[in-house]
Formats: sequence, structure tokens, C-alpha cells
Amino acid sequence: NAGVMQNPRHLVRRRGQEARLRCSPMKGHSHVYWYRQLPEEGLKFMVYLQKENIIDESGMPKERFSAEFPKEGPSILRIQQVVRGDSAAYFCASSLGRLSYEQYFGPGTRLTVT
Amino acid sequence: AQSVAQPEDQVNVAEGNPLTVKCTYSVSGNPYLFWYVQYPNRGLQFLLKYITGDNLVKGSYGFEAEFNKSQTSFHLKKPSALVSDSALYFCAVRDIEWSGGGADGLTFGKGTHLIIQP
Repeated sequence: NAGVMQNPRHLVRRRGQEARLRCSPMKGHSHVYWYRQLPEEGLKFMVYLQKENIIDESGMPKERFSAEFPKEGPSILRIQQVVRGDSAAYFCASSLGRLSYEQYFGPGTRLTVT
Repeated sequence: AQSVAQPEDQVNVAEGNPLTVKCTYSVSGNPYLFWYVQYPNRGLQFLLKYITGDNLVKGSYGFEAEFNKSQTSFHLKKPSALVSDSALYFCAVRDIEWSGGGADGLTFGKGTHLIIQP
């Protein structure tokens, strides 16, 4: 039973480039969450999606960040015109349902902006 | 809004001794509470959760946690520590009654490094 998959595991981008992070949820899970982890910090919620719908993006920066979870294929977190402050670990999680259900996390994508 | 405090950045325990990793939370309503463990360069692994019912919750790898509503705490415990338990532990909360922004996301503490000494 494959867990949550994320790729790439490591991503290096120069300032101004675009970063695309992919997440495939666990089989049977239709709820996807993205979190960002800065060094020595806990995870911060960014966005919650269901298939073809953004349910809650209250944690997303207003500019340059977007997320999608299409009917087919993985969820994508897209960061346009990256800046050094975007360097972090980005984790995707999925769950079987909302609220009381535990979330299962992928291994993360470590984004480095040079 | 909800918040989580893990008052200790690091906890050191000798192998074979009991361990406790502390967590307190703040919510306006009732909480769902979770513990996760993170090994270096890995994602978070779910350990256990409290939703309702018995205040003592048992989870993976021999860990348990006790929900204390009056003290707003959810401390993680294990009777006998193993060197392999050394990792970063996160407590997380979700406010049952909060339906505003971020309601479906978990609010995490900053984490506690648990170091088990042989």
C-alpha cells in the first residue's frame, strides 16, 4: 500500500524561476493538504484541496503561489518567480476524510532558491 | 484560532527509562489532538490521535498520550525508551468548532527533539 508520494525530493531553482511540486495522495484518499516547514519551525498549513476544488487556501501567500488537484493526476503546488525566502521543505498530506481523520504525510520536497 | 506549545526544545532520556514529551494547546472549542514523529530528511509519521472517549490513547511503537482537558495538555509518553525513538516529535491540534480559515489544516507545535542515550 503505497504512501503519499512527492516529487521531486530536492529542487534547486534560481531566483525568478518557477517551482512545481507534485503530490500523489494515498490510494483512496481524496483530501490533500500542503504545508511548509521552515528551519527549526513546525509545519504551517497552506492549502486544502479536494478533487478539482480548492476548499481552503487561507494559508497560501497571496501572490506567486497556487495549487491544484485535477480530476486526473497529482496535486501540484506552483510557486512563480521564486525568491530566497521560499526556500523550505514543502510537505503534502492526504486523508480519508475531514476533521477527525489523521493526515498521512509524504517525504517532502526540499526547495532551495539560489 | 488555535495554538500548540511544546515547551521543551529537547528532551534527553536514558535508554530503558520512561519518557514524556509535553504538549499544551489552546482552542476556543473542543480539540482533536495528534502526535507525529519526524526522522531526519523524512516526512511526518502519524503516532496517535485523540478525538473523543477514553483520555488515554495508545498508538504506534508503544507510545501513548493522555488528554487532560482541565490542563489543556496532551503529553506523549512511553514506559521504556529505545535509542531508535530518537527523533523530532510534533504535537498538532484542530479546533472542532472552528469553521474559518485553516479549519481543515492542523496547527503544529515547533517540535521537540527527543534524544535517547544508550
